[in-house]
Amino acid sequence: DADVTQTPRNRITKTGKRIMLECSQTKGHDRMYWYRQDPGLGLRLIYYSFDVKDINKGEISDGYSVSRQAQAKFSLSLESAIPNQTALYFCATSDRAAGDGDTQYFGPGTRLTVL
Amino acid sequence: GDSVTQMEGPVTLSEEAFLTINCTYTATGYPSLFWYVQYPGEGLQLLLKATKADDKGSNKGFEATYRKETTSFHLEKGSVQVSDSAVYFCALSGTSYGKLTFGQGTILTVHP
Repeated sequence: DADVTQTPRNRITKTGKRIMLECSQTKGHDRMYWYRQDPGLGLRLIYYSFDVKDINKGEISDGYSVSRQAQAKFSLSLESAIPNQTALYFCATSDRAAGDGDTQYFGPGTRLTVL
Repeated sequence: GDSVTQMEGPVTLSEEAFLTINCTYTATGYPSLFWYVQYPGEGLQLLLKATKADDKGSNKGFEATYRKETTSFHLEKGSVQVSDSAVYFCALSGTSYGKLTFGQGTILTVHP
């Protein structure tokens, strides 16, 4: 969905490096999420934010941190990258007020490789 | 906690064949149910959804009915095309409102 953008789209880094993945949205949604996708495991939630001052850990938050700089921006950081963080990372948004079962809309993903 | 189980893949079909991808779930209360599709090299796109029991979601010839009695949301299409080749994910938004729980995904390949 072009309304949710992620940068970079691809990144190769080395073990121990700090990495930031960025997500921006123009949908005006209040809720934002970070997921990682691994083959055969579906998507797993890393962190989520229901508004700028409400940030929560997901099921696999260890080794990650996030920052909600504004309603439209949600960044994911790997403070010291390790090889098992190699994955496809997705940002998503939803609108609490939409009354649509909290449908989430995904960005195009960032493919991260940690050597 | 909430969970979603999809049929094992990969699924390989010929063009114009009938498709079923099974999805069952475990959740308390009344979750909303979704099917997302991921085409090669792309992100996830919402394919269809249902927010209450007996609702039928439909889009692009795909359908799924929310069956609370069998806790299922099976995806069907009467005649698949090569362009339907993708990974399909079943998901629910349940007890922790706003958080999606995904199945492991099913790879579909359609041959001409």
